[in-house]
Amino acid sequence: GQQLNQSPQSMFIQEGEDVSMNCTSSSIFNTWLWYKQDPGEGPVLLIALYKAGELTSNGRLTAQFGITRKDSFLNISASIPSDVGIYFCAGLPLFRGSQGNLIFGKGTKLSVKP
Amino acid sequence: AAGVIQSPRHLIKEKRETATLKCYPIPRHDTVYWYQQGPGQDPQFLISFYEKMQSDKGSIPDRFSAQQFSDYHSELNMSSLELGDSALYFCASTTGQGGSPLHFGNGTRLTVT
Repeated sequence: GQQLNQSPQSMFIQEGEDVSMNCTSSSIFNTWLWYKQDPGEGPVLLIALYKAGELTSNGRLTAQFGITRKDSFLNISASIPSDVGIYFCAGLPLFRGSQGNLIFGKGTKLSVKP
Repeated sequence: AAGVIQSPRHLIKEKRETATLKCYPIPRHDTVYWYQQGPGQDPQFLISFYEKMQSDKGSIPDRFSAQQFSDYHSELNMSSLELGDSALYFCASTTGQGGSPLHFGNGTRLTVT
């Protein structure tokens, strides 16, 4: 079935560092979404991307919809402690009947460097 | 802004009992999705509804059923609960427009003992 490969699985950040994560697939996607999830809470939508090549920012976050429509990345600039959490990419495949059955990546866990 | 409301937030049940989870979508959202998330896992799609009709079905066990009501709220009914059903259950809502992003509620944490 369709899968999203999200990397890295986990990373440690120091305050002020830039962070980058990405999702790739062998399938084409119509929509890419990036969510952040804190422990015990629901995923919160960060950025939605709808067009190949689209580059969208939300504060210190920037995400891009890959030209091939098979990948997306999320950058966080000048990270702060509250950026810790799990970041999920999610894609809406091109060939799928339901418009809402997203495919999720496995998540990138951001932690603070000890 | 109004968000997706789920109740209860926490639920403890014993094996073989039943549970009902409720979801109230964002106003004017006509589409609801249910997801199950185990510890350290990504959300797994269970079932979705559009305009009160089931629109898609994922990995929902036969012991579970769901429906969407005339006011667009949805309920997930879970019977013959098993230990493995312990998880976070999320509801998400969106409009019926293609590609509209899903907005998630804060989930119901179900613990089966």
